[in-house]
Amino acid sequence: EDKVVQSPLSLVVHEGDTVTLNCSYEVTNFRSLLWYKQEKKAPTFLFMLTSSGIEKKSGRLSSILDKKELFSILNITATQTGDSAVYLCAVTFGDNFNKFYFGSGTKLNVKP
Amino acid sequence: DGGITQSPKYLFRKEGQNVTLSCEQNLNHDAMYWYRQDPGQGLRLIYYSQIVNDFQKGDIAEGYSVSREKKESFPLTVTSAQKNPTAFYLCASTDRGRGAFFGQGTRLTVV
Repeated sequence: EDKVVQSPLSLVVHEGDTVTLNCSYEVTNFRSLLWYKQEKKAPTFLFMLTSSGIEKKSGRLSSILDKKELFSILNITATQTGDSAVYLCAVTFGDNFNKFYFGSGTKLNVKP
Repeated sequence: DGGITQSPKYLFRKEGQNVTLSCEQNLNHDAMYWYRQDPGQGLRLIYYSQIVNDFQKGDIAEGYSVSREKKESFPLTVTSAQKNPTAFYLCASTDRGRGAFFGQGTRLTVV
């Protein structure tokens, strides 16, 4: 059965802390893994990862994919209250990129 | 500007009624998806379509129906068979495995 699993389900930290969010997957014909941030409505795109071991960075956020161990991590350094959101991991897979599954998300709460 | 438009933003349904949620994209994307999100939950796949006149069930298709008569449009009907339809519904489209574009969502409430 194809699945995408995120951990932890929720996390509470204080401003300035560093957090690591995890996403593991078991799918057939993996194509790419994507990270999204969802605050109130539609998720906003953060990263797309297709190759193992290549870190992608955007400001205080970074992400890396391990295709051998079938997981990805999303790191946020020097967290701010504006980072509070649900972080979603999604995987595209299938013979024709035709499947796009999300994990359950990690709810991050950054306290002042 | 290209994007995905979902309508309406809020929808109220009486028990036993069918309602249709609209999703239109002008991105020329082949694949379109419908997800359901419940409070505190992730996105669960209802239906997806890779090409016109073809669609497949996702994990929670029971009580829902879709059509894909045009590349730009992928409407979702929530039927009376869906026993717990109150949720946030998101439509998305992708182009050959690249990042998905999302609509702003429709919040459906059964009254």
